[in-house]
Amino acid sequence: EIVLTQSPGTLSLSPGERATLSCRASRSISTNYLAWYQQKPGQAPRLVLYGTASRATGIPDRFSGSGSGTDFTLTISRLEPEDFAVYYCQQYDISRTFGQGTKVEIK
Amino acid sequence: QLVESGGAWVEPGRSLRLSCAASGFPFYDYGIYWVRQAPGKGLEWVSGISWNSASLGYADSVKGRFTISRDNAKNSVYLQMNSLRAEDTALYYCVRDNGDYYGPFDSWGQGTLVTVSS
Repeated sequence: EIVLTQSPGTLSLSPGERATLSCRASRSISTNYLAWYQQKPGQAPRLVLYGTASRATGIPDRFSGSGSGTDFTLTISRLEPEDFAVYYCQQYDISRTFGQGTKVEIK
Repeated sequence: QLVESGGAWVEPGRSLRLSCAASGFPFYDYGIYWVRQAPGKGLEWVSGISWNSASLGYADSVKGRFTISRDNAKNSVYLQMNSLRAEDTALYYCVRDNGDYYGPFDSWGQGTLVTVSS
């Protein structure tokens, strides 16, 4: 099983700041098979990025992704109030696993 | 749209069957999955089924106890859960892939709650 470790556990930032979220895999995965999801309280998760860097439908361009091998990053260039949420990375290269999540909270 | 049903409170060792009803898209073109979230915890992929039921997958934590199936004529997917344990307590989401069985999850239901407790 591929284990995904996200860091930090919590990111405290102000609106307008840049957020950088990390996802590290226990073994190398294809860049085609790494996704990020956003979950707000009381809501189902929502696909943000797939294939490491492709934005899902309706996702603004302040969201971007990068990485390869075992290290992947989700960057939110300028945080908007609606971006404060929990973010999960997911690999779908070998079966499917999720990271434990990073909470982006208002500072 | 994906709408889950069948969640309930059950005692350990008992069985439960979850249903997922799909609408608004060509159901037979998509793989469907179950993802669960224990209270206050993260996401865990549980099971998945391809459009033609030829490919099935299960997490190790449920293998041998859970069975996924689908009925394309009814636009529905089912999760038969046997030998339930306390650690199966979670909100169970029905999820759709992006048209590729090996793709990301691009649509989620609102979930149905399963509570396993004596």
